[in-house]
Amino acid sequence: LAKTTQPISMDSYEGQEVNITCSHNNIATNDYITWYQQFPSQGPRFIIQGYKTKVTNEVASLFIPADRKSSTLSLPRVSLSDTAVYYCLVDGSARQLTFGSGTQLTVLP
Amino acid sequence: DVKVTQSSRYLVKRTGEKVFLECVQDMDHENMFWYRQDPGLGLRLIYFSYDVKMKEKGDIPEGYSVSREKKERFSLILESASTNQTSMYLCASRKGAGGASYNSPLHFGNGTRLTVT
Repeated sequence: LAKTTQPISMDSYEGQEVNITCSHNNIATNDYITWYQQFPSQGPRFIIQGYKTKVTNEVASLFIPADRKSSTLSLPRVSLSDTAVYYCLVDGSARQLTFGSGTQLTVLP
Repeated sequence: DVKVTQSSRYLVKRTGEKVFLECVQDMDHENMFWYRQDPGLGLRLIYFSYDVKMKEKGDIPEGYSVSREKKERFSLILESASTNQTSMYLCASRKGAGGASYNSPLHFGNGTRLTVT
């Protein structure tokens, strides 16, 4: 099972771009990289998923280098409501899905 | 929109009680999961199921069991609740067949906060 490593916490200011990097050195060929966002007292919710290069949706972008051993979630122009815990998950041929400890993002006014 | 419903938002039980946490999903998903979440430890997988009556242990199955008699329902059972099982419990489901369900996002319920006294 691919283990992920993320920073425990990050602070940012409103309007800035935030990049959260996740390391997954033993990612397998069939694995996808998925990011989830969790607010207090709620379950995590899906943000974005990718396999390689760059993926963008209305919420975020995901950058994955050619070796796929890391990935970066980019949140453009964050607001206070983006304060949450962000989880990186490597998801592939294994049925078991193990989350890392996540990154607590705090957006300051 | 997928809905994953956990039967209780808050639950208080006494040590030694048998506790049932229920989870129901409405999208005919094959895969269902139970996690617990504790401060500083993230989400830890307790059990998962990829089909009716099928189950597999996750990272921390000790003290728990599960039941999946119907596709839409996945129950977590604490046979004899202990204070170290006080936690937030999260249920999730996702589409898939036979476990090969990568590329399908997880859908979570809003959790059950269990306190064992």
